[in-house]
Amino acid sequence: NAGVTQTPKFRVLKTGQSMTLLCAQDMNHEYMYWYRQDPGMGLRLIHYSVGEGTTAKGEVPDGYNVSRLKKQNFLLGLESAAPSQTSVYFCASRREYLGYEQYFGPGTRLTVT
Amino acid sequence: GENVEQHPSTLSVQEGDSAVIKCTYSDSASNYFPWYKQELGKRPQLIIDIRSNVGEKKDQRIAVTLNKTAKHFSLHITETQPEDSAVYFCAAPDSGGGADGLTFGKGTHLIIQP
Repeated sequence: NAGVTQTPKFRVLKTGQSMTLLCAQDMNHEYMYWYRQDPGMGLRLIHYSVGEGTTAKGEVPDGYNVSRLKKQNFLLGLESAAPSQTSVYFCASRREYLGYEQYFGPGTRLTVT
Repeated sequence: GENVEQHPSTLSVQEGDSAVIKCTYSDSASNYFPWYKQELGKRPQLIIDIRSNVGEKKDQRIAVTLNKTAKHFSLHITETQPEDSAVYFCAAPDSGGGADGLTFGKGTHLIIQP
């Protein structure tokens, strides 16, 4: 049982390049989330999904797209990376019912130059 | 949406003393309040949470109190140890308590002085 995994762990992009971050969970969780963490800012929600085939915007969605084609996977895409997207990205998942713990992945450290 | 304020941003205490971190929230419909601990370079991990039908919850050296009227909740760590050094985040649900994600405070860097 690996929990929540993220690929890749580190990445450096040039401005304008694109990439996809992969989040996978093997806990059969319905809900999945993408957060970004910047120094002094805590974690901020980018997008989330309440089930396969559904996605919704969070607090800071601009510049990102997501897809959830399979229940266990949640992809975060950057179509044209900008230096402002330099951050640590965390994926999380949780069970459907109210109040259950969000389980976080190990994070992806992305630098855009 | 929810707004969560967390204080202080940095807290330094002597080993063995107690530490208290406070958070306020804005949405009176919020009903679930977790606390996460994050060590340097690691993922956030839940250490304790509380639901709105409970005023206090304790787990060994850590406790959380909730005042729904004042819309604030606090983390209490007693008999602090070096391994308690980390960044602590409070959070509240984005829309009451549904499937939406969490709104996090900006974090408290807890330093345990030997």
